[in-house]
Amino acid sequence: DTEVTQTPKHLVMGMTNKKSLKCEQHMGHRAMYWYKQKAKKPPELMFVYSYEKLSINESVPSRFSPECPNSSLLNLHLHALQPEDSALYLCASSTPDRSSGNTIYFGEGSWLTVV
Amino acid sequence: GQQVMQIPQYQHVQEGEDFTTYCNSSTTLSNIQWYKQRPGGHPVFLIQLVKSGEVKKQKRLTFQFGEAKKNSSLHITATQTTDVGTYFCATRDFGNEKLTFGTGTRLTIIP
Repeated sequence: DTEVTQTPKHLVMGMTNKKSLKCEQHMGHRAMYWYKQKAKKPPELMFVYSYEKLSINESVPSRFSPECPNSSLLNLHLHALQPEDSALYLCASSTPDRSSGNTIYFGEGSWLTVV
Repeated sequence: GQQVMQIPQYQHVQEGEDFTTYCNSSTTLSNIQWYKQRPGGHPVFLIQLVKSGEVKKQKRLTFQFGEAKKNSSLHITATQTTDVGTYFCATRDFGNEKLTFGTGTRLTIIP
């Protein structure tokens, strides 16, 4: 089972709302990621969790709050977002490995629209 | 951080023609990965190259890693409509979980 599942697939939220994006994988991967992708642009890394600990935060605004409750789950809590935060949010997972590179598996993404 | 540029940004080809996208870095890369993202879809891993001068093939796709490990290419022979999408190269820092994407090449096929 090589699958990363993201919910919801689509989300529309107001600027005062609080919502969460969820991600789940059962591949035993111990590294999980959040990426943001705007239209016609490459994915941009937001956060990396390694063994359930936050290892990379790419200077993401605090209105985005990641959470890793266990090795299979990754959440992204959203609060007081701006319209420019509208994008495709991609979750990914891999085996954290100090060797040179390995495969990262992406979920289908959550399309977020902030109104 | 590392910056990886891809050219061309867009490519329109007639079905059956060949297609090549190039990935260039100013620094030596420990590895290069290639992903395909269909319109409205998510990135899907295609392949990883780690050795200088490495060439790998997947059916009509040929992937190459430069001798200096600063560039890579993806060549598609006899394109089909199913090849439509954006092709990204990406590189993973040694000892770092971070995957940095290239700028991508969007391929459209004219039937």
